[in-house]
Amino acid sequence: LAKTTQPISMDSYEGQEVNITCSHNNIATNDYITWYQQFPSQGPRFIIQGYKTKVTNEVASLFIPADRKSSTLSLPRVSLSDTAVYYCLVVPQTGANNLFFGTGTRLTVIP
Amino acid sequence: EAGVAQSPRYKIIEKRQSVAFWCNPISGHATLYWYQQILGQGPKLLIQFQNNGVVDDSQLPKDRFSAERLKGVDSTLKIQPAKLEDSAVYLCASSLNAADTQYFGPGTRLTVL
Repeated sequence: LAKTTQPISMDSYEGQEVNITCSHNNIATNDYITWYQQFPSQGPRFIIQGYKTKVTNEVASLFIPADRKSSTLSLPRVSLSDTAVYYCLVVPQTGANNLFFGTGTRLTVIP
Repeated sequence: EAGVAQSPRYKIIEKRQSVAFWCNPISGHATLYWYQQILGQGPKLLIQFQNNGVVDDSQLPKDRFSAERLKGVDSTLKIQPAKLEDSAVYLCASSLNAADTQYFGPGTRLTVL
């Protein structure tokens, strides 16, 4: 499975756009990029998934360049409630037997 | 739709004791996962079930950990005997099938003294 590298932590002020970049140099042709969010004392929660170019939902956008060796999760106008750990995962299209979460990026939103 | 249910939410035991965790996945989800999350780390997969069969248990410490999903619905994870390093949050997740989005329960926080 392709492993991922992302910053350990980020700080942002409320109302700003936050971009978290993830590197996945060994991504395979059939792999998808998936992001999860985890609040303290809760299990991870699916945010967004994409294969290439751009995906947008009501929570976030995901930008994937043509070489797919990295991806960027974009959170528009963050609020204090977006303070959480964000995990980038590479998931095979056929399903993963062993998802690698890594340590994630701890985002702190400052008032 | 009800989410993934886990119990208990918290458990404190002494080392060498036994403990069991229970998980009820989302109805209709064929795939069930148990993860271990140590403080400050991401979740690590322990075992994955597809219906009542084990798909992957390569990271399960089989000398002390066991899990079952006998009827292909709910599942139990057991540790016997527990060690100090087993202190962690144990997360259960389920998905419609292996390639689908995983939905996580709230976890069980285990403290081994």
